[in-house]
This record gives sequence, C-alpha cells and structure tokens, in this order.
Amino acid sequence: GAVVSQHPSWVICKSGTSVKIECRSLDFQATTMFWYRQFPKQSLMLMATSNEGSKATYEQGVEKDKFLINHASLTLSTLTVTSAHPEDSSFYICSARARNLLNQPQHFGDGTRLSIL
Amino acid sequence: GENVEQHPSTLSVQEGDSAVIKCTYSDSASNYFPWYKQELGKRPQLIIDIRSNVGEKKDQRIAVTLNKTAKHFSLHITETQPEDSAVYFCVTFGSARQLTFGSGTQLTVLP
Repeated sequence: GAVVSQHPSWVICKSGTSVKIECRSLDFQATTMFWYRQFPKQSLMLMATSNEGSKATYEQGVEKDKFLINHASLTLSTLTVTSAHPEDSSFYICSARARNLLNQPQHFGDGTRLSIL
Repeated sequence: GENVEQHPSTLSVQEGDSAVIKCTYSDSASNYFPWYKQELGKRPQLIIDIRSNVGEKKDQRIAVTLNKTAKHFSLHITETQPEDSAVYFCVTFGSARQLTFGSGTQLTVLP
C-alpha cells in the first residue's frame, strides 16, 4: 500500500519549453503533496507544499511563477516548470502525505530527471 | 526552521565492518526520526525510523539511537555488504509537520 506514482521518469527538452510532472497517490488520499528538487550529490530541498484545493506554499527562494503547482484532487498534484532553462535541470521528487498518516508521514514518488538542453 | 546536520559526508568501510552516521537537529519539537537510503537516480527509501519516546531500535543489521536531550541520533550498520553502498539521509519531522533532510552521507562498502 501507499504507492505514489510520478511521471514522467525522464524528460529531455529544449530551453524555453514548459514541462509538466504528475504525481499521483494510487491507493490513498493525499491531503498534502510535497515537491522536492535534488541537484547532483546534494540533499533533497523542499520547493513547495500543497494542500488539496488550496494554493501551494513555496519555500524561500523558489519562484512561484516559474514552478506552478496544482493540487486539484486528493490523488493528483502537478508541477509545471515554465520556460525551463539549463539551470532548472535537476531531479524532481514528489511526496504525499496520507489523510490518516498511515505508518509514515510522507510517501515518495520515483522522481523525474529533467534535462534542459 | 529546523536545521539538521549530518556527518560524515562520505564514509568508506571494508565489507564486514560497521558504519556509523551521526546527526544533530535543532527543533526540540521533532518527534519522528526516519533514515532514508537513496541509490543513484532513485527515490529515497525508508530503512528504519525511531520515535521520540524510544531511545534505540534495531532491525537486523541496522540500528538507530536517539538522544533527545542532546538532540542527536545515529544510524549503525553492522556487517556491511557491498549492496549497502548508497547515500543515506537522516531526517526529522517536527513542528513544521514536514520532513527535513540532512545533507547526506555517501557510504561506500569496499569488497
């Protein structure tokens, strides 16, 4: 149980393109979704937190107009990287918190490796 | 906000030896301390966790200790194997109700 599906797993696109990443909780309702970014050899850095039906809360230094987050249902959140540039190339990981917390506070997706040429 | 410091950043051990990773945290309200293992290009995987009402927990070759007074916790891996090679993260869950990751330890187990 507690499976989080993240798609796509790998994206390569040209500079200036917008890229959408989907994160779905398959067998539980996710009241909160978290989006992380991880650069090579670094830790996971929280970008934003979103609650279903509410606007996302962004961490300091993360541009909300560049990283658009939508959490329209209890099982789906999307992250759109708008007008992506090479410096946005990174590993993006979503994480979901269940309504009843289950046995872990957050469950992670498999991540999306984004490469901007 | 919470600050989690993790040491060492890299650790090499001979197969069969033990590995120890240590972390300190700042938020006294933190009450849940998971450890994650991350292989290259993959998601972090929970390997063991400990809650604030417990001082030690063991699961086969892995053990965690927690000292709430000193605000530090440690991961111990005994009888290390090559497949233990990965990046390990200590994590806290506290008043912000979100996971805060340490900086990570690259563990290499030499055959």
